[in-house]
Order: sequence, then C-alpha cells, then structure tokens
Amino acid sequence: AQSVTQLGSHVSVSEGALVLLRCNYSSSVPPYLFWYVQYPNQGLQLLLKYTTGATLVKGINGFEAEFKKSETSFHLTKPSAHMSDAAEYFCAAELYNTNAGKSTFGDGTTLTVKP
Amino acid sequence: DSGVTQTPKHLITATGQRVTLRCSPRSGDLSVYWYQQSLDQGLQFLIQYYNGEERAKGNILERFSAQQFPDLHSELNLSSLELGDSALYFCASSVTSGANVLTFGAGSRLTVL
Repeated sequence: AQSVTQLGSHVSVSEGALVLLRCNYSSSVPPYLFWYVQYPNQGLQLLLKYTTGATLVKGINGFEAEFKKSETSFHLTKPSAHMSDAAEYFCAAELYNTNAGKSTFGDGTTLTVKP
Repeated sequence: DSGVTQTPKHLITATGQRVTLRCSPRSGDLSVYWYQQSLDQGLQFLIQYYNGEERAKGNILERFSAQQFPDLHSELNLSSLELGDSALYFCASSVTSGANVLTFGAGSRLTVL
C-alpha cells in the first residue's frame, strides 16, 4: 500500500527566507504527486502536480517541487517566503494506473511565517 | 469559489443522532470524493463515487453511508453519531475517476456534543 510522509508537522521561517517542506512517498510504482494548500476555514487548493515528464514542477504563488525517484521524494520549495504563505500544506500521492482514483494525503505541515 | 458546494457549513448535533451532508460537484466533474479531517487522524479518504456508482472505499465506518444521485450531487449520511465523529468533512470532485486533480469544497464542520 502506498503512503505519504511529510517530515515536520510545523515549519517556521522568517519572511523572505527559503521555504522547504518535505514529502516522501512509498509506492512500488512512482505515483502522481500533488501539493495542496489549505488556508484557515477553507478547503484544499492545488499548488502543483507531477504526472510525467519534467521532474521540476512549477506551481502557483512561486512554489515549485522536484520529483526525485531515487529518493522517493517530492519536496516543496519557495525561494522567499511571504506572510501570505502561512497555511497548512498537504502532499498527496495517487497511482496512475488505477480505476479507483483517490489520493493518499500526508498528515500536513503547518507553515508559519515570521515578520 | 472552487465550484464545489457543500452544505451545511456548520452543524451541531447530539450523540446518537443522524445527519446528512450534501455536496454539489464542480460543473462537468463526474467523480465525487468524501474526506474526513480531524486533528488526531489528519485527512482521511472515506469514499468515492463516479457517475453514480461507488468506485472506491477508504476508512469509512459502517455507520456512515453515501450516494451520488443522477444529477451528480452527493450526500454523506452519518448515523448513531459519536463524539469522535466531530470533524471537518470535505467533498472534492474531479473530471474522471482516475488520477487527477481534486477540487475541494470549503467543508462541513460537524460538532457532536
């Protein structure tokens, strides 16, 4: 069974600093991978996704993630944090060859941005 | 506005009661997913429907049931409610049943007293 592990349930950075949120997956076959963001009192919104092709994926709001098959990782980064980036971030994985599509989510990482 | 509509936004009820949560998917999406988000268990997949048929089942309790109607809206029924059922329940939709992006609603917050 596939699983998704997000290292660090809370990450705190200063405004303007690098953001790095870690995600590892376990699957016998590389899955489709997603990052979602959840702002307070809202549903999850897609930041970016990896399906096939280029392993460096760019998303909205300046975020990007790199798929590394050898490390089974899909870490999310942003060069310079903004106060508005404070939210909870979820990594998700989904096998591409299943008819019963559903995403397995990590436990989430809460990002705090300090002024 | 994501296009996925969930009602009610908030619901407070007592143990032993039954509630129904409703979800209207984004226009054009055929697949509906239900997730439960709680502090101690994170985001848990409950069940998926595709064009009216159940397609996948996750960690859904026997006290819970769901269905998707011909107009594609879905309802999640929670019965014999327990304190531990208090959570945020999200509906998400996607175009197909296979792997693709989920569009989430804003959620229904259920409080069981």
